[in-house]
Amino acid sequence: GQQVMQIPQYQHVQEGEDFTTYCNSSTTLSNIQWYKQRPGGHPVFLIQLVKSGEVKKQKRLTFQFGEAKKNSSLHITATQTTDVGTYFCAGRRYGGSQGNLIFGKGTKLSVKP
Amino acid sequence: DAGVTQSPTHLIKTRGQQVTLRCSPKSGHDTVSWYQQALGQGPQFIFQYYEEEERQRGNFPDRFSGHQFPNYSSELNVNALLLGDSALYLCASSLGTGLKLFFGSGTQLSVL
Repeated sequence: GQQVMQIPQYQHVQEGEDFTTYCNSSTTLSNIQWYKQRPGGHPVFLIQLVKSGEVKKQKRLTFQFGEAKKNSSLHITATQTTDVGTYFCAGRRYGGSQGNLIFGKGTKLSVKP
Repeated sequence: DAGVTQSPTHLIKTRGQQVTLRCSPKSGHDTVSWYQQALGQGPQFIFQYYEEEERQRGNFPDRFSGHQFPNYSSELNVNALLLGDSALYLCASSLGTGLKLFFGSGTQLSVL
């Protein structure tokens, strides 16, 4: 079945350093979403990417969707302690139900002050 | 404006028992999806309800069933609990079957 792989599994950075997590799908996606889950919390929607090659920015966060719509990345510039949490990508495949999001295993980010 | 609410927050059951988890969607939302999140893993899609019908189902056995009520709230039922059912169960609501999901805080189920 379809899989969404995410790397790295863990990332430890010093405050102020940059951070990137990568997401790869075994099949072409109709769109991809990114969520953040704080420790002990629930996933919170960050953004949705739909178009091939799309790039979106939210303050220090930059999201990209690959040209082939099979990979995506999230880059955080100058991390802060408030960025701590697990970042998940979640993809929807073509022809599948809109409801069935396939989540990656997430990248857990820790930030040392 | 209340977000997605789930009850109970924590639950302890023994193998073979049955459990019912409840979810009230965000105001204005008509679609509810259920996810299972094991420790250290991403959420896994169980099923989605829209207009009181199960619209899509993930790779979960028939022991997992659900219901959606006319007020859009939903229940997740799990029969014949196994140790491996221990997980955080997340309810997510949306307007329509697509678009972004709003998650509740989840129900932490422990099966002993």
